[in-house]
Amino acid sequence: DSGVTQTPKHLITATGQRVTLRCSPRSGDLSVYWYQQSLDQGLQFLIQYYNGEERAKGNILERFSAQQFPDLHSELNLSSLELGDSALYFCASSVALQGAQSYTFGSGTRLTVV
Amino acid sequence: AQSVAQPEDQVNVAEGNPLTVKCTYSVSGNPYLFWYVQYPNRGLQFLLKYITGDNLVKGSYGFEAEFNKSQTSFHLKKPSALVSDSALYFCAVRPPGSGGYQKVTFGIGTKLQVIP
Repeated sequence: DSGVTQTPKHLITATGQRVTLRCSPRSGDLSVYWYQQSLDQGLQFLIQYYNGEERAKGNILERFSAQQFPDLHSELNLSSLELGDSALYFCASSVALQGAQSYTFGSGTRLTVV
Repeated sequence: AQSVAQPEDQVNVAEGNPLTVKCTYSVSGNPYLFWYVQYPNRGLQFLLKYITGDNLVKGSYGFEAEFNKSQTSFHLKKPSALVSDSALYFCAVRPPGSGGYQKVTFGIGTKLQVIP
């Protein structure tokens, strides 16, 4: 157990639907990162939050949004889902905003859009 | 723009033999470099990192990596491979800097297969 908790582990939904993925960071970590992993694209950075504030955006679609709550857990909302959104979604956390620290990853949520 | 290249999709090595997983990077300045490992159905796990100092970095599970500035490489190595080392390995780079967010870029990953 890495200390980063992601729920649900698996999610199957239809095109056009909306889903919410949840992440609880490791205790003491203030930064949360969301990544999308697919076979052809590798690990793509989506968005980062630090202590409740959005701090960086990567290749995140407009149909996707995220937030970090006062208790530091984060949610990634995916809407108007398309078949191409099927992927593994990882959450990672770290103590601070920057520097040479490593990330702690959760086990991921496998999203299948049918 | 920063980038990471892992030129081999898959590396096969016999158990007990030394292994090398290659990584090259492109970034301005002196980067922070990382290796992560991903086992099936698991998230990425941190193995080791280079910040500054000694070019040979030692990490978890007997892995080490050598930073070579002139070749902009950070190859992952292990003297004697185990079957349990079979996994997907990711190299990552983060440019140094203060103030604001410095993006971490991951490579595409290299699948390591250790053959008994």
